[in-house]
Order: sequence, then C-alpha cells, then structure tokens
Amino acid sequence: EAGVAQSPRYKIIEKRQSVAFWCNPISGHATLYWYQQILGQGPKLLIQFQNNGVVDDSQLPKDRFSAERLKGVDSTLKIQPAKLEDSAVYLCASSLGGRDNEKLFFGSGTQLSVL
Amino acid sequence: GQSLEQPSEVTAVEGAIVQINCTYQTSGFYGLSWYQQHDGGAPTFLSYNALDGLEETGRFSSFLSRSDSYGYLLLQELQMKDSASYFCAVKSPGNTGKLIFGQGTTLQVKP
Repeated sequence: EAGVAQSPRYKIIEKRQSVAFWCNPISGHATLYWYQQILGQGPKLLIQFQNNGVVDDSQLPKDRFSAERLKGVDSTLKIQPAKLEDSAVYLCASSLGGRDNEKLFFGSGTQLSVL
Repeated sequence: GQSLEQPSEVTAVEGAIVQINCTYQTSGFYGLSWYQQHDGGAPTFLSYNALDGLEETGRFSSFLSRSDSYGYLLLQELQMKDSASYFCAVKSPGNTGKLIFGQGTTLQVKP
C-alpha cells in the first residue's frame, strides 16, 4: 500500500516570497491533515479536511496561509508571504475518518527554511 | 483549550524498561494516542486508548486513566532503535475530532 506522498522534500525561500506544498493521501482516506512542526516541538494542527470540506482551521494563520483539497483527494498548502517564523517541517497526514480517525498516517514532510 | 504535558527527555539503557508519562487538560476528550518519530522521519502510530486500562502491542504498552487525565507509554526490552521522540496526542470528541499533540519526549537508549 502506498503511503502519504509529499513534495517537495526541502524548500529554501527568502522572507516575503510565496511557497506551496503538495500532498497525496493514502487512497480511500477521507480525512486529510496539515501539521506544522517546529524543531523540538510537537506537530501543530493547521487544517483538517473531511473529503473536500474543512473541518477545522482554527490554528491556520489565514492572513498568509491557505489550503485546498480538490475533489477530496490531493491537497495543497500555500504560504504567501512567508515569514522567518514559518521555518518548520510541514507534515501531511491522512486517516480513514469516522471512528478510525485515531490512526494517522504521515508523509515524510516538507522542510521549509525561510531566510 | 487543550494542553498536554510530558517529560522532555528520558534516558535508559538497552534491555531496560522505561515509562513515558502524559497528563492532559482538555475541553473534550475522546482518546489518547502515542506516536514515535525518529530524527528526520515522519511520526508513526504506536497505540490508542479510548477506555481506561492497558493496551499491549509487543514490547510497547499504553495505559489510560480518564479520571486522572493521565496516560503512559511503557517500552520494554529497550533496543537502540527505540531512540526517538515519543508524542502523546489527544483526540477531541466526534467522528471528525482533531488530534492535538504534546511537545514530545526524547528517549535516548544507551548501550
């Protein structure tokens, strides 16, 4: 079974530039998550989708971050403009949803460095 | 709001047993999960407790006490490859309940 695919693996940009990350969840997984993980900290939930609808985006900095999940499958997360404090690993995860929501499968993440 | 507390670092020797504790304060609670993350890797699911008691999966066990808002992960017969960060995570109620992670415990296993 293919896992959660993310790209790119690494990205280096300057502050005020824009960047986009892509995620392809495990086939059949209804729920998709984007987490931000700053070095030495736990993953912080940015946004959660159920199929193509947003379930929770309470911690998404909406003035600069946006995310979409087209047709309930792939998802993109965009930052525009980036700030120094956005340097982190951006993890995408998926789950079956419903009562099996507790088991998340994570991708390898995109490590973002903002200079 | 939700907050989770776990020790930042734990050190143990190969073959030993180690327990990583997690206490939580949440406005709603559905269950407690544990994830393992090696340096540079993705978090991987270890266990989930929705009910009080002990769940055992091989060398790893997880315990939950809902009345005490407390859980722990028990690792037995430690191996060098167990050196990693371990995160507890709380799931909020509902079929689409979100998963909130603690800050993680770095486990170092020494020979």
